[in-house]
Amino acid sequence: ILNVEQSPQSLHVQEGDSTNFTCSFPSSNFYALHWYRWETAKSPEALFVMTLNGDEKKKGRISATLNTKEGYSYLYIKGSQPEDSATYLCADSWGKLQFGAGTQVVVTP
Amino acid sequence: EADIYQTPRYLVIGTGKKITLECSQTMGHDKMYWYQQDPGMELHLIHYSYGVNSTEKGDLSSESTVSRIRTEHFPLTLESARPSHTSQYLCASSGWTENTGELFFGEGSRLTVL
Repeated sequence: ILNVEQSPQSLHVQEGDSTNFTCSFPSSNFYALHWYRWETAKSPEALFVMTLNGDEKKKGRISATLNTKEGYSYLYIKGSQPEDSATYLCADSWGKLQFGAGTQVVVTP
Repeated sequence: EADIYQTPRYLVIGTGKKITLECSQTMGHDKMYWYQQDPGMELHLIHYSYGVNSTEKGDLSSESTVSRIRTEHFPLTLESARPSHTSQYLCASSGWTENTGELFFGEGSRLTVL
């Protein structure tokens, strides 16, 4: 059973447009929510580790919010660039880290 | 930049062969993990270790085995490879508590069993 769900599975974005996608996780027994970026032919790289309800984190043009009461996190990309093309993974760390299937983002010039 | 290394990056091997995927990290992390990912599917935890001489099976059943004799080394072994073992295997480590510490990943070992 996949407790961590990500949507959409994939999305295509025009360069310069902003986009966002969702990670849903069980709201009970929450410890932390991780976001990773996985570029083709590279290893997954941590973007954010979020622990508090209402947390909002930012790294460059990428930001994330967390709602632990309702069990979701949004990741936003502002002004998408081709180098943002990657699969974005979220993981719920109650117990052992459990990953969602990822959202594949393709940014076209 | 993370200091965690996996070898080989790519391996094509025949059925019945024994293989070992190597994973080493130089960060002194206590916690290490092996994930398996089939194409288009999510990462599944198959093994983890919280320190030397500690190994546990993950959520996804796997015929592979692991050992943790040294902090920096966490090899994964398949005694007799089968086509069903064809997959990508990712090693990771963490230096914090499991629940909040970010994972540092190796570049993966892509295994094809003919």
